[in-house]
Amino acid sequence: SQTIHQWPATLVQPVGSPLSLECTVEGTSNPNLYWYRQAAGRGLQLLFYSVGIGQISSEVPQNLSASRPQDRQFILSSKKLLLSDSGFYLCAWSVQQNTEAFFGQGTRLTVV
Amino acid sequence: KQEVTQIPAALSVPEGENLVLNCSFTDSAIYNLQWFRQDPGKGLTSLLLIQSSQREQTSGRLNASLDKSSGRSTLYIAASQPGDSATYLCAAPLGLADKLIFGTGTRLQVFP
Repeated sequence: SQTIHQWPATLVQPVGSPLSLECTVEGTSNPNLYWYRQAAGRGLQLLFYSVGIGQISSEVPQNLSASRPQDRQFILSSKKLLLSDSGFYLCAWSVQQNTEAFFGQGTRLTVV
Repeated sequence: KQEVTQIPAALSVPEGENLVLNCSFTDSAIYNLQWFRQDPGKGLTSLLLIQSSQREQTSGRLNASLDKSSGRSTLYIAASQPGDSATYLCAAPLGLADKLIFGTGTRLQVFP
């Protein structure tokens, strides 16, 4: 069966520090991969999506970047965190078009 | 551009009531709609996926309907229980990459 792993679960980082969040999917090949952010009291905002290795699309101009070095690995990064980067980050996957999407358990990022 | 709205934003009911949560979307050219549940501080759990060719989908006490022509979906929860307390989110895909656009959710509290 397919599973998605996302870590760490919580993270407290100072302003200006780098960030790396990792997401891996098991049990499937060539999935669509997504990074969402959920700010306090707000809905889920799509940040990045990828339909294949090295193929990254950005939805919102921001202080973050994403990479997909392997088929089932999706990484969210920042060189210098801002206070506004605080939030709940969720990774998701789906098997190409017209199929169900599945989410990881999320990472709570607090920038101090 | 796809916009998704959920009504009501919050709902508090006694145990045993039958509930209807509403979701509306602006772009009716969708090929599926998905309902999720989110517990506080947790990731999203997929509840139901309705394909555009279907009008209803059922799982246990949950029933979701989809009316593309009117741009609406409803989630019906029968005989609600305290364990149903959570935030319920609907999401419609956008584009060939299945980018899910989320509503802001309905926060449900079922009290004994």
